Amino acid sequence: QKEVEQNSGPLSVPEGAIASLNCTYSDRGSQSFFWYRQYSGKSPELIMFIYSNGDKEDGRFTAQLNKASQYVSLLIRDSQPSDSATYLCAGRSQFYFGTGTSLTVIP
Amino acid sequence: DAGVIQSPRHEVTEMGQEVTLRCKPISGHNSLFWYRQTMMRGLELLIYFNNNVPIDDSGMPEDRFSAKMPNASFSTLKIQPSEPRDSAVYFCASSLPSHPYGYTFGSGTRLTVV
Repeated sequence: QKEVEQNSGPLSVPEGAIASLNCTYSDRGSQSFFWYRQYSGKSPELIMFIYSNGDKEDGRFTAQLNKASQYVSLLIRDSQPSDSATYLCAGRSQFYFGTGTSLTVIP
Repeated sequence: DAGVIQSPRHEVTEMGQEVTLRCKPISGHNSLFWYRQTMMRGLELLIYFNNNVPIDDSGMPEDRFSAKMPNASFSTLKIQPSEPRDSAVYFCASSLPSHPYGYTFGSGTRLTVV
């Protein structure tokens, strides 16, 4: 079983909207997760990590960890066209990445 | 800092040929990772090193793949013989040894085996 899974979509949102990306995990003991952003043709870059239950905010980005339901989310407020990319989640080890969710922000 | 440096950026080779991919991690990072990314399988870890020692190579698809890290500033991933199904983007990443640090990825090598 994969450490993390991303099953949702490609996602399209209008500029200025909130984009919500989700990732589920299998190990109930997992406590830390990483979000990476990957622009087309580029390498992944770390944008957020979260270690405790609840929310962590960094500018327009908020990571949410829900241990009871075993999912981690990334919210992007006031989405911009420059946020259009694939977003990958990874567990603590960062050995296993989700397959990614492609986000398109429509001007 | 120049970041993680990979070479070549693109490689086109014929089936059966040997391919060598190269990586220079960030100075001071003592963990190094090789990943492969395809549309079908996403980003997969192939092997990782701590302090130049291979720790887990369970992701290496088969014996045709080998990786070395002769010193703290250089690593290679070799495929011999190459096959068309090896076509992918290969990333090298490095990190400091302890969390909460994430990984810094190189620009990748796009390998095409024809």
